[in-house]
Amino acid sequence: GAVVSQHPSWVICKSGTSVKIECRSLDFQATTMFWYRQFPKQSLMLMATSNEGSKATYEQGVEKDKFLINHASLTLSTLTVTSAHPEDSSFYICSASGRLGGEETQYFGPGTRLLVL
Amino acid sequence: SQKIEQNSEALNIQEGKTATLTCNYTNYSPAYLQWYRQDPGRGPVFLLLIRENEKEKRKERLKVTFDTTLKQSLFHITASQPADSATYLCALGGSSNTGKLIFGQGTTLQVKP
Repeated sequence: GAVVSQHPSWVICKSGTSVKIECRSLDFQATTMFWYRQFPKQSLMLMATSNEGSKATYEQGVEKDKFLINHASLTLSTLTVTSAHPEDSSFYICSASGRLGGEETQYFGPGTRLLVL
Repeated sequence: SQKIEQNSEALNIQEGKTATLTCNYTNYSPAYLQWYRQDPGRGPVFLLLIRENEKEKRKERLKVTFDTTLKQSLFHITASQPADSATYLCALGGSSNTGKLIFGQGTTLQVKP
């Protein structure tokens, strides 16, 4: 149980285009999902908290107009990188809050590698 | 500001030995601490959670300790195997019930046969 999927697993796009990444909880409902970004050999940096049916809460320094988050259902959150630039190239990972074996924790997707040319 | 430190240098050990990884934090009082495993190009996988009122927790070959006075957690893998080679991340969670986690940068473990 507690499987989270992401699509696509990798994407290459031209500078200026927008890219949408989907995060789905496959076998449980998640009222809260999180979006992270990870650069090589660095830690996961939380970008935003996504709550079903409400606006996302962004971390300091993350542009909400550039990284659009939509949490339309209890099993799906999407992150859209608008007008992507090479500096947006990174590994984007989502997670969903869930409870397994009595422990509330985050279950992570496999990540999406974005390369902006 | 809140800071989490994990040994940035890779840890190399021989198969069968016990691996010990360290997580130190400052300017934070977490309600719980979690350890995750991350393989290259993959998302983290949850391993263990330990709460502030717990000193130690075990799961199979894994053991975690949590010392809120020292602001430190130790993560042990006994009888290590080459398959344990990965990056291990510690993450701190607060009492605000938002579920937000703050991650350390991870320590890479290499177990040699």
